[in-house]
Order: sequence, then structure tokens, then C-alpha cells
Amino acid sequence: DIQMTQSPSSVSASVGDRVTITCRASQGIDDWIAWYQQKPGKAPKLLIFAASGVQSGVPPRFSGRGSGTDFTLTITSLQPEDFATYYCQQASSFPLTFGPGTKVDIK
Amino acid sequence: QVQLHESGPGLVKPSETLSLTCAVSGGSISSHYWSWIRQSPGKGLEWIGYIYYNGKTEYNPSLKSRVTTSIDASKKQFSLNLRSVTAADTAVYYCTATLGGYKFDYWSQGTLVTVSS
Repeated sequence: DIQMTQSPSSVSASVGDRVTITCRASQGIDDWIAWYQQKPGKAPKLLIFAASGVQSGVPPRFSGRGSGTDFTLTITSLQPEDFATYYCQQASSFPLTFGPGTKVDIK
Repeated sequence: QVQLHESGPGLVKPSETLSLTCAVSGGSISSHYWSWIRQSPGKGLEWIGYIYYNGKTEYNPSLKSRVTTSIDASKKQFSLNLRSVTAADTAVYYCTATLGGYKFDYWSQGTLVTVSS
């Protein structure tokens, strides 16, 4: 199985801050990665696919980069509605696997 | 816009079978592929398996011996059966829709299934 790790596990930030979350795959996955946002009591929501593709309806302050094993999700100018937990997911091979999540909370 | 709504018991006894059904609206069941994912505090998000409109399946090896999924295109729904459950199967279960690639485009609201006697 491909293991996904994320760092940091949590980050405290203020409205307007730039936040970058890192995800690393245990083996190369080209650009087969997706990112999700989850708020408490809600289902995850797809933000980014194929490493850098922004899902329809997702604000442009969300962006993704990377290829191979190292990936980032960046939120420029954090907004109040962005405080949530973010997960990466490899879409390269079965079984599909997720990272453990990064919680973004208010400083 | 695809909408998904799962249904099934919220409480299952140990050693019994967990059964959930996901109803699809707003999209064609033959244009997407369908998945089950669960989330528990101890294990995070765990992909259970995919089912395609033609009935082909892919399962997580960690659950494969206990999982069966099925699809009923005429009813626009698909189902999950997880046999011989234990407390470790207690989780929020989601059904999802994939338009392309192995990402999860649409999610149901999730249903908590507790395994307890």
C-alpha cells in the first residue's frame, strides 16, 4: 500500500495568513493526488485533483503543486470559512489511501 | 450535480452484517463509479471499495474478505455489506461518486454505524 503522510498535523493561523500543507507519498504517484477539506460533522469536500487542478466552485486562493512523492496545498489569504481539516489522497493505485489530516485552526 | 443519500441501521451487533444503501439523484449511475469510505477516530479515512455500473468491483485488501457491494441501475442505488463486524468497524460511512480518475467528487452526508451488543 502507498502510505501518505502530512505535515504539520495541525497549524494555528490568522485570517489573511498564507498556509502551506505538505503531503508525502511513500512511493512515486506522478500527479495522482487529491486534496479535501472537511469541517466538523460534514463530509469531506474535493478541493484539488491531479495535484494542481482546482475543482469547480473552489476559490482560487486554494492551489496545489507537486509531482512524484512530494506535494503541497497552499491557501493564500486564509478566510474564516477555511478553518477545517485537510486531507490528501493518492489516486495512483489500489488500495486508495488518505493522509492523516492537517487541522487548520484559529490562532 | 450528483446527490447521494445513504440509509441503513445505525446500530449493528458484533458478528452480524452491516448493510447500507446509497441512493443516487441528479446524475446517471452509468456515467460514474461509486465508492464506500469510512472514517473512524482511530483510523482516519479508509477507502472500502469501488463498484462500477457494470458490476465490476475493487476492494481494499484489508476488508476484501468481508465486503460485498452491489449496484441496481434501475433503482439508481448501490449497496454495501460488511460481514462479521466488530467494534473496530464502528465509523461514519460515506458513499461517494467519482467522475473520472480515482478521486471522490461527491460525498453523501455520512451515517454513523455503531457496532455494539
